[in-house]
Amino acid sequence: GAGVSQSPRYKVAKRGQDVALRCDPISGHVSLFWYQQALGQGPEFLTYFQNEAQLDKSGLPSDRFFAERPEGSVSTLKIQRTQQEDSAVYLCASSLERATYEQYFGPGTRLTVT
Amino acid sequence: LAKTTQPISMDSYEGQEVNITCSHNNIATNDYITWYQQFPSQGPRFIIQGYKTKVTNEVASLFIPADRKSSTLSLPRVSLSDTAVYYCLVVFGNEKLTFGTGTRLTIIP
Repeated sequence: GAGVSQSPRYKVAKRGQDVALRCDPISGHVSLFWYQQALGQGPEFLTYFQNEAQLDKSGLPSDRFFAERPEGSVSTLKIQRTQQEDSAVYLCASSLERATYEQYFGPGTRLTVT
Repeated sequence: LAKTTQPISMDSYEGQEVNITCSHNNIATNDYITWYQQFPSQGPRFIIQGYKTKVTNEVASLFIPADRKSSTLSLPRVSLSDTAVYYCLVVFGNEKLTFGTGTRLTIIP
């Protein structure tokens, strides 16, 4: 189990439903990141944790988006009252230490809001 | 954050060397240049990073001229498995990696 894992890999939600996306980073990695990737676009930053502290959430598109990492390991990205524009792939990445450019990405969760 | 410009797409035949150039005219003194590779349905994968001149690892080389306003990722003897999207990023101590639209590289058999 060497890599970053994410679950579920696919999620279909009806508009208005709440969803929770899980990320298991590489063991021992201090930093954890969430990105949103729309079809045909590059990933866009959402938020960043160092251990359990959320140090940057400037990329979260609205207050419907919430992320946590309570024990400094597993992280959950929650989206409340999903909208169609939330449909995207949500990527999680971890890195060994802060301010390193080598991030290890998970396979992503593809969210489709109908 | 420095803005980068890359070709939208490139094609190459198997066995050839592929060079993807990225422009970053407003790169700052302490910015590093980093490249990621992304396959369909996977997250991006770090390829290489450099600051100046030339960097080489087991999969690629990165050439950076003295003015650092551009950089070139070089993939030697590409194979079909190198078909992917390649992203050039300019980063300084900034955990918020800013990806552009990348270069879609297609290897032709």
